[in-house]
Amino acid sequence: LAKTTQPISMDSYEGQEVNITCSHNNIATNDYITWYQQFPSQGPRFIIQGYKTKVTNEVASLFIPADRKSSTLSLPRVSLSDTAVYYCLVVNRDDKIIFGKGTRLHILP
Amino acid sequence: DGGITQSPKYLFRKEGQNVTLSCEQNLNHDAMYWYRQDPGQGLRLIYYSQIVNDFQKGDIAEGYSVSREKKESFPLTVTSAQKNPTAFYLCASSSGTSGRVYEQYFGPGTRLTVT
Repeated sequence: LAKTTQPISMDSYEGQEVNITCSHNNIATNDYITWYQQFPSQGPRFIIQGYKTKVTNEVASLFIPADRKSSTLSLPRVSLSDTAVYYCLVVNRDDKIIFGKGTRLHILP
Repeated sequence: DGGITQSPKYLFRKEGQNVTLSCEQNLNHDAMYWYRQDPGQGLRLIYYSQIVNDFQKGDIAEGYSVSREKKESFPLTVTSAQKNPTAFYLCASSSGTSGRVYEQYFGPGTRLTVT
């Protein structure tokens, strides 16, 4: 069964850059890769979306290699409020919507 | 104020009873989704609908049913056939068309407890 793989958890310190990678080796050829942030007892919130190469917005960057079998979410200069669970979302070649199991990011002072 | 509303936020039911969770959106989105989230777990897709009067099963549709009679509404019924219904249920919508998944907007969720 096609799936995505992310690290279960990561720790970092305030002010550091954090990179979270998601592998998705059965991704559909014509769909986007999307990342979400979720705080406890809330719905996930959209962070960034891309198809290939690099995308940047006001909160993050997304790096996607040419084969699109992985993607890396980059959070610059994290703060305590970035402590959350981060999910990647893709559509695989069977047209199934696949949410990763999430990476629990803990930011330390 | 546009967005997705889910009600109620907390719901308690006795085992053996069917229960319907509400999801409404005023974003004029074509696609709507239902996910289930268990403690410490990711999101699993229950059902999704890309257009009114049409919906597709996700990975864990057994014991659930949906309807899509209006573009704005996508209620989920948790039936007594669902073996472990206690979970956090999330509804989402997107402007996705032709099977492509665009940015999904999520509601605040409903926490269902069945005893």
